[in-house]
Amino acid sequence: DAGVTQSPTHLIKTRGQQVTLRCSPKSGHDTVSWYQQALGQGPQFIFQYYEEEERQRGNFPDRFSGHQFPNYSSELNVNALLLGDSALYLCASQSSGANVLTFGAGSRLTVL
Amino acid sequence: SQELEQSPQSLIVQEGKNLTINCTSSKTLYGLYWYKQKYGEGLIFLMMLQKGGEEKSHEKITAKLDEKKQQSSLHITASQPSHAGIYLCGGGSQGNLIFGKGTKLSVKP
Repeated sequence: DAGVTQSPTHLIKTRGQQVTLRCSPKSGHDTVSWYQQALGQGPQFIFQYYEEEERQRGNFPDRFSGHQFPNYSSELNVNALLLGDSALYLCASQSSGANVLTFGAGSRLTVL
Repeated sequence: SQELEQSPQSLIVQEGKNLTINCTSSKTLYGLYWYKQKYGEGLIFLMMLQKGGEEKSHEKITAKLDEKKQQSSLHITASQPSHAGIYLCGGGSQGNLIFGKGTKLSVKP
């Protein structure tokens, strides 16, 4: 039983560019959340998708956007990259109504 | 806004020793989650606590939530090298969790 899978695992971008990160939730899960984890910090909630709509959003600018597809997979898009966007981006999934999140291994983004 | 503070920030213990990690919330917790993270990897779920005074154990790890639901502790008995990693406490519900900065645990063989 595959857990949460994320791609790519590592990527390097330059300031001003745009990036798309992808996530496939654990089988049976229909809700996807995205987190940003800077070095030495705990993960910070970006947003959550359910039924192809953004259900909750954390304190992140509009440069961060997302999408959820009918098969429950999700994308995180970040526009106009800043150096401060360098971080590990974690995707987590859950069944609607359940409380426990299952996390993927993350996508490490480096912005130069 | 709610904040979670963990202590200590880092911990080095000899294999076989017991240890405790603490997590304090600025507000009442509706759910408290403990996760473990290996460097640069995803989070592995350990335990969830929801009721004041609740205590759960799995293998050599025990987590407790105080009656006021603002403090939690994670206790490891007879530590092993496999326990090394970063332990994160998270509070919240419905997938929107606020995390502490983590406690880095090293276990010396």
